[in-house]
Amino acid sequence: AQSVTQPDIHITVSEGASLELRCNYSYGATPYLFWYVQSPGQGLQLLLKYFSGDTLVQGIKGFETEFKRSQSSFNLRKPSVHWSDAAEYFCAGATDSWGKLQFGAGTQVVVTP
Amino acid sequence: GAVVSQHPSWVICKSGTSVKIECRSLDFQATTMFWYRQFPKQSLMLMATSNEGSKATYEQGVEKDKFLINHASLTLSTLTVTSAHPEDSSFYICSARRQGRMGGVSYNEQFFGPGTRLTVL
Repeated sequence: AQSVTQPDIHITVSEGASLELRCNYSYGATPYLFWYVQSPGQGLQLLLKYFSGDTLVQGIKGFETEFKRSQSSFNLRKPSVHWSDAAEYFCAGATDSWGKLQFGAGTQVVVTP
Repeated sequence: GAVVSQHPSWVICKSGTSVKIECRSLDFQATTMFWYRQFPKQSLMLMATSNEGSKATYEQGVEKDKFLINHASLTLSTLTVTSAHPEDSSFYICSARRQGRMGGVSYNEQFFGPGTRLTVL
């Protein structure tokens, strides 16, 4: 079955430290992959997406990802987190750019001083 | 940027009553909108795809007679939870698809509303 998996439910990171959120996918073909952030009172915001081409993707707010076909991974990274990065992060996949999104379970990020 | 609003942001109702939630695309037209449900500490689950001027497409296991969807215009979709019960309490999120062409390049992206918290007593 097609799915995306986020193995980490909760991550705590110190402000200024690097952050990596894991996402694995299971699709027959290369899926369309997305990372969203959800903050209280706000809608999900798209951080970055991968459809094809360069496997290194730069997103907004200093986030980046690398699509690794051999590992079926689409991990989200940020070199130095800010307190404002505390939020829930969702990885999502689709079979095409018009397809329905399937979301992972989400990872709650807590940023400590 | 593209903005999607939801109204109300939260609602408390008695069991057996119906509740209507609105989803509006404020600065673009959306022929397709999506409705999701999110339980606490869980992911978003797609409930249905709402298409302007036609019937919604429901995901497996979602009762279409309980969750009525109307997409009467290019900027508004409504979700009505009929005869609500406590188990319907959840966070309901909509998204609107913005699509088109600019400079010969097609674009297609979903924009999400802030969600509506429904509590059924």
